[in-house]
Amino acid sequence: QKEVEQDPGPLSVPEGAIVSLNCTYSNSAFQYFMWYRQYSRKGPELLMYTYSSGNKEDGRFTAQVDKSSKYISLFIRDSQPSDSATYLCAMIRIQGAQKLVFGQGTRLTINP
Amino acid sequence: GAVVSQHPSRVICKSGTSVKIECRSLDFQATTMFWYRQFPKQSLMLMATSNEGSKATYEQGVEKDKFLINHASLTLSTLTVTSAHPEDSSFYICSASRGTVYTDTQYFGPGTRLTVL
Repeated sequence: QKEVEQDPGPLSVPEGAIVSLNCTYSNSAFQYFMWYRQYSRKGPELLMYTYSSGNKEDGRFTAQVDKSSKYISLFIRDSQPSDSATYLCAMIRIQGAQKLVFGQGTRLTINP
Repeated sequence: GAVVSQHPSRVICKSGTSVKIECRSLDFQATTMFWYRQFPKQSLMLMATSNEGSKATYEQGVEKDKFLINHASLTLSTLTVTSAHPEDSSFYICSASRGTVYTDTQYFGPGTRLTVL
C-alpha cells in the first residue's frame, strides 16, 4: 500500500465548475501538507502549504486538511481552462525519514 | 520570487555515455538541493538530497556511483548519469530550498527529459 494515495483521474469538468481533488494517507506522522500544480513537461509549482487541520484559502483555491481522517483536499472555484494541469498532493513526516512524499497526481482538464 | 532553472531541458544520448544535468537557483541561495525522478504518469520520487559542500544523501535503491551529485555552490547542483542505459530514460527534476529542514519550501526546476537510445 502506498503511503499517499491519490486518484490519477483523468478528471474533466466544464469551465466555471468547482473542482475537488483529494488525497489520503496512512501514516499519522505526516503533519505538513502541500498541493503542487504541474503543467505538462514542466516542474511542479507550489500552490498551497498547510499544517493545521481545517481550511486555508488563497484566491480561488482552498486547501482542507482533516488529520483525524488522514484526508486532504484541494478545491478550485470558478475553474478556468488555464487550471488544466496535473495536481500533486505532497506531505512531510515529522518522524522517521523526513522527506517530501508525493501522491501520484490527478490530471485535470477544464473544458471551455 | 524563487526561480530554479535546469539545463538542458531535454537530452538524447547513446547507451553507455554519461550525461550531466545542471540545476541553478537564480535569485536565492539554495542551502539544500534535491533531485527527483518522474516516470510517465507517475509521481516524483526523491533520488537524493544535497547540501552545499557536503556529500549527497541518496535514497534507498538509488545507486550513488551511477547518479553522481555535486553541490558545488549555493546556486548550483549537478547530476551526472554515468554509463546511461535505456532504463535511465526519465524526467529528472531538481528542487532547491533556502533552509536545511524538509519543512522549508522547495522550489522546483522545469525538469530535464533524458532519453537513452
